Amino acid sequence: DAGVIQSPRHEVTEMGQEVTLRCKPISGHDYLFWYRQTMMRGLELLIYFNNNVPIDDSGMPEDRFSAKMPNASFSTLKIQPSEPRDSAVYFCASSKRTKDYEQYFGPGTRLTVT
Amino acid sequence: GIQVEQSPPDLILQEGANSTLRCNFSDSVNNLQWFHQNPWGQLINLFYIPSGTKQNGRLSATTVATERYSLLYISSSQTTDSGVYFCAVEQRLITGFQKLVFGTGTRLLVSP
Repeated sequence: DAGVIQSPRHEVTEMGQEVTLRCKPISGHDYLFWYRQTMMRGLELLIYFNNNVPIDDSGMPEDRFSAKMPNASFSTLKIQPSEPRDSAVYFCASSKRTKDYEQYFGPGTRLTVT
Repeated sequence: GIQVEQSPPDLILQEGANSTLRCNFSDSVNNLQWFHQNPWGQLINLFYIPSGTKQNGRLSATTVATERYSLLYISSSQTTDSGVYFCAVEQRLITGFQKLVFGTGTRLLVSP
């Protein structure tokens, strides 16, 4: 299996621009998670989906952040407008809940907002 | 919410040494995972271990759920073991899945 795929791996953008991060979960996994990692706050869950439906978005920092999962093999995390404090590494993870609950992480997208 | 504490926060080892990393959590959990974040930032699954003991090569882990802690053992450490080790726990509520909560990590440096 190819594992969780994220793109782009690195993104540098100017404040005020729209940023879209992409994720392809492991085939057959029915849960998808978006996390953010910063030095100050560590790893924190932003939102997760079950069978393409958003279940808990309480971790999304503010209305500038939105996430979608139009089908089982694709999800996006969008920031509009971006701000320098959004600079972080964004991870996507997926899991399959029929057996156990182990989450598998993608390589992450390092976002820098100048 | 549940609290996850890891110790020590930093650890420096000579290659070949053994070490034990600890994870304490404040409430009962349904899932516990250990991850290694390598110097390139990749989060690598080490163990899914809500209870009991597992071994994988030079690494092993033990979770004592009733006492709310987990231990990660690294034997004969190698420079490639360097990075940050995270413990993460999931506490399931009656409503269903609860988010995976990460500890602050143990930063390990193995010197040749």
